[in-house]
Amino acid sequence: EAQVTQNPRYLITVTGKKLTVTCSQNMNHEYMSWYRQDPGLGLRQIYYSMNVEVTDKGDVPEGYKVSRKEKRNFPLILESPSPNQTSLYFCASSLFHGVGQPQHFGDGTRLSIL
Amino acid sequence: SQQGEEDPQALSIQEGENATMNCSYKTSINNLQWYRQNSGRGLVHLILIRSNEREKHSGRLRVTLDTSKKSSSLLITASRAADTASYFCAYMNRDDKIIFGKGTRLHILP
Repeated sequence: EAQVTQNPRYLITVTGKKLTVTCSQNMNHEYMSWYRQDPGLGLRQIYYSMNVEVTDKGDVPEGYKVSRKEKRNFPLILESPSPNQTSLYFCASSLFHGVGQPQHFGDGTRLSIL
Repeated sequence: SQQGEEDPQALSIQEGENATMNCSYKTSINNLQWYRQNSGRGLVHLILIRSNEREKHSGRLRVTLDTSKKSSSLLITASRAADTASYFCAYMNRDDKIIFGKGTRLHILP
């Protein structure tokens, strides 16, 4: 089944403790992206990747890192999480970059930073 | 903000009625998409309309695009309980970044 898989689905952690949210897709998609969703603000893009070893900042990249060493994986790293990073995070992928291609979304990761 | 705006923010209608949601955007676009998000889940792609199209249909969905007004609308006909969800438009801005609107929460009343 074609899917985007995020782990963990839920995480409660404390300020400053490094964490990684994994994202994997099995559709051989070139484009992958991370979003955060906050009430009243909709989805905002954090980072995206056009292909392996190619990443770029979205609208709200501060406090986050990403890497794209393999086509299928696009982990999101919070080196020193802070409470303002408490949010619902989504990973998405599409065949290539462009609104002409539908994005496939994971089911989300709900992060709480205390 | 570069984000698009959906209107209304929330909408409650009786089952069987039609629901209309609007999206306004700020830049010239090539394509615009609509997505649905069920509570607590990821977004699901519904339909895409290209800038040279004015209207597109898919089942009970009808999307229109008015590039002169920089707006799009999503019409869901004969609504069902399962249509209860949030709906988002998405487009690409001049920096080639994909922008999502803030969404319309649709609630279908039994």
